[in-house]
Amino acid sequence: EILLTQSPGTLSLSPGERATLTCRASQRVPSVYLAWYQRKPGQAPRLLMFGVSRRATGIPDRFSGSGSGTDFTLTISRLEPEDFAVYYCQQYGNSPYTFGQGTKLEIK
Amino acid sequence: QITLKESGPTLVKPTQTLTLTCTFSGFSFSTNGMGVNWIRQPPGKALEWLAVMYWDGNKDYSPSLQSRVSITKDTSKNQVVLTMTNVDTVDTATYFCGRQSFGDRSPFDYWGQGILVTVSS
Repeated sequence: EILLTQSPGTLSLSPGERATLTCRASQRVPSVYLAWYQRKPGQAPRLLMFGVSRRATGIPDRFSGSGSGTDFTLTISRLEPEDFAVYYCQQYGNSPYTFGQGTKLEIK
Repeated sequence: QITLKESGPTLVKPTQTLTLTCTFSGFSFSTNGMGVNWIRQPPGKALEWLAVMYWDGNKDYSPSLQSRVSITKDTSKNQVVLTMTNVDTVDTATYFCGRQSFGDRSPFDYWGQGILVTVSS
């Protein structure tokens, strides 16, 4: 089972700032099967990025993803008020699919 | 419009069997590559993948829960059902269903809102 560790656990930033979230895997993630999801209270998780760096439908270009092997990054270039949420990475290359524990992005 | 919705009991007693239904619309489960997954999130904890059913009848389970869960589908009703036996308080969680649309190596592109299930006597 591939374990995913996200850091930091909580990130406090202001609107307009740049956010960098990281996800480290316990072993190499097969190919590019790494996704990021956003979750807001009371809402369904939303797919943001897949294949490491591909934006899902309707996701603004201030979101970007990078990385390979065991280290991955989600970057939000200029935070908007609606971006404050919890973010999860997921590997879907190997069963069992696994998620990171999440990074809470909060308003400073 | 693609939607998924979880339904089932919100309170179950320890040792009972939990049955949850994911009812979906906007896509056909007969389409190659479609899969419906179950995922849960205990309060304050991480997301945990439980099981998946694919369009062709193939299924997969989390090794940690394989002895207690089963997943079935009713294509005519657009439903996927998760059954979990012998529940315990640690199974208290919000349970989600999520769709894959390109087979076993694809992300979960649509999710339901989730249903909070509490296990308590």
